[in-house]
Amino acid sequence: GAGVSQSPSNKVTEKGKDVELRCDPISGHTALYWYRQSLGQGLEFLIYFQGNSAPDKSGLPSDRFSAERTGGSVSTLTIQRTQQEDSAVYLCASSLPILAESYNEQFFGPGTRLTVL
Amino acid sequence: AQSVTQLDSHVSVSEGTPVLLRCNYSSSYSPSLFWYVQHPNKGLQLLLKYTSAATLVKGINGFEAEFKKSETSFHLTKPSAHMSDAAEYFCVVIHAISSNTGKLIFGQGTTLQVKP
Repeated sequence: GAGVSQSPSNKVTEKGKDVELRCDPISGHTALYWYRQSLGQGLEFLIYFQGNSAPDKSGLPSDRFSAERTGGSVSTLTIQRTQQEDSAVYLCASSLPILAESYNEQFFGPGTRLTVL
Repeated sequence: AQSVTQLDSHVSVSEGTPVLLRCNYSSSYSPSLFWYVQHPNKGLQLLLKYTSAATLVKGINGFEAEFKKSETSFHLTKPSAHMSDAAEYFCVVIHAISSNTGKLIFGQGTTLQVKP
């Protein structure tokens, strides 16, 4: 079946503009994650959604970053007033529900490469 | 807090020779550990996982890793490298099982180069 998809694959924007990045998880996956991959910071967790629970936003680097997940499926990561240090590859992953003391494999999308000029 | 350290940022081997990618972990809990691979312009793919069952874990494409609690290590090995193994490899620990959100903590990555 279809994997995790992300759009756009590449985004170039000017400093100060807002951007929206989209993630379509695998059907039936109630857990969804956003990660960021950058040269200086490596791969870092941003935010996590599971079902109707409150999201874990502990990895968001500033209040310019926000994410939502509508209808328990598609997610959008929004970066307001972009800065050059926001340039990175933004990865989305989804998995089956996370239960206590268990792990379900996270399937990653191909990422969105964001370049802020 | 959990963390992982990949001891080599770059490893170069010849095709047909063994591969060793080193990873040490730090965890207050009994950790769950993983290796992911990222080929150029492709998404991250799970190679193998350790979740407190057998300490020697076999993964895809002939890779395996051994969990050694006494050494706090989880090194990735393969007996014979193939050109298609050239990629970035990440050692990963899962965050705090007790409040299980499943978020992954990544090492800095090791670039594996395979020479003909």
